[in-house]
Amino acid sequence: GESVGLHLPTLSVQEGDNSIINCAYSNSASDYFIWYKQESGKGPQFIIDIRSNMDKRQGQRVTVLLNKTVKHLSLQIAATQPGDSAVYFCAENRGGSQGNLIFGKGTKLSVKP
Amino acid sequence: ETGVTQTPRHLVMGMTNKKSLKCEQHLGHNAMYWYKQSAKKPLELMFVYNFKEQTENNSVPSRFSPECPNSSHLFLHLHTLQPEDSALYLCASSQGSSGKVDTQYFGPGTRLTVL
Repeated sequence: GESVGLHLPTLSVQEGDNSIINCAYSNSASDYFIWYKQESGKGPQFIIDIRSNMDKRQGQRVTVLLNKTVKHLSLQIAATQPGDSAVYFCAENRGGSQGNLIFGKGTKLSVKP
Repeated sequence: ETGVTQTPRHLVMGMTNKKSLKCEQHLGHNAMYWYKQSAKKPLELMFVYNFKEQTENNSVPSRFSPECPNSSHLFLHLHTLQPEDSALYLCASSQGSSGKVDTQYFGPGTRLTVL
């Protein structure tokens, strides 16, 4: 089965609250991780990435945390807005050839006004 | 807009038809990718082109035939497809570095339905 997975297939949050989307991976050799956001009818949109030599990276309203000890990746979205409603995918690169990204199935985030 | 465009956005074809999907990137990238996205399944990498050379073929059936005439254009030629090939086909591009992963930027996809 897929080594990149998500603890919850759906997540519903109140507008203004913080969201946390989780991802687990199983390959210790994975050295690069990405979060994508996919809105209905659109292709995946890059949000933020992190390499394995880091444990935290921040962007605009988003933070990615990497815990290599338990092979866990999370995406935190601060002050969630209705426009954040989408499916969020994590992806890992297990090293080696160009483009060898393994994607998880995705978590659907719904933001209630 | 990500700088990656795909045409057509929707395609309905019979199993005996031949059609082509087109992808164009305006980002100056050197690597291009085809992915298949089926309902409730993770994205599946199909092909990778790096500097116009095919570097990955992820055990894709021969009824899918990619073509990369230059670093900005990528095609996916389709013939004698099966209904289970119905899916969203996504194109992506990245800077392209030998042996190194870099961020991929996706197009909006072509929604393909095979009757």
